[in-house]
Amino acid sequence: GAGVSQSPRYKVAKRGQDVALRCDPISGHVSLFWYQQALGQGPEFLTYFQNEAQLDKSGLPSDRFFAERPEGSVSTLKIQRTQQEDSAVYLCASSLPRDRPYEQYFGPGTRLTVT
Amino acid sequence: KQEVTQIPAALSVPEGENLVLNCSFTDSAIYNLQWFRQDPGKGLTSLLLIQSSQREQTSGRLNASLDKSSGRSTLYIAASQPGDSATYLCAVKRGLQGGSEKLVFGKGTKLTVNP
Repeated sequence: GAGVSQSPRYKVAKRGQDVALRCDPISGHVSLFWYQQALGQGPEFLTYFQNEAQLDKSGLPSDRFFAERPEGSVSTLKIQRTQQEDSAVYLCASSLPRDRPYEQYFGPGTRLTVT
Repeated sequence: KQEVTQIPAALSVPEGENLVLNCSFTDSAIYNLQWFRQDPGKGLTSLLLIQSSQREQTSGRLNASLDKSSGRSTLYIAASQPGDSATYLCAVKRGLQGGSEKLVFGKGTKLTVNP
């Protein structure tokens, strides 16, 4: 079946612009995660949803970062007033706790470059 | 705070060699450990998932072991091939008591298999 999809795949923004990144999880997956991966580093957790509820947002680096999943399926990660340090690959993952418990399936990522 | 370390950071081997990648974590209260593969510019592909109650998992030429008490996991790749060239990431999920389902990643080992 279809995997996790993300759009756009690449985004170039000028410093100060707002951006919105979209994630379509695997159909029926309850849990959805956002991670940020800087060049040469491992992914770092940003936030986690179970259905439409945002249960953990401890990894969001500042109040410029906001995520939502209003209907418990598609999620959007929004970054306001982008800064150069926001340049990274943003990865989305989904999981279904009762299926191979908590195994996370990742999308291809959105590469954000802030100029 | 959970910290995950992967050694070595980079590894170059000739085709056909057997090799071992290492992962260590500081907090042994984990629920599971996943090994991922990441190709340049791509998302993460799950290779193996080991539950905390398990000692090892095998898939084809890959074998992952887990020693939870010592905070270590290894990924063994038999008869390496040029197509195995990628970055290998290790990630742990903490125990269910604690709320968050996030994964904590190491920085990865970049593997190059030379023909």
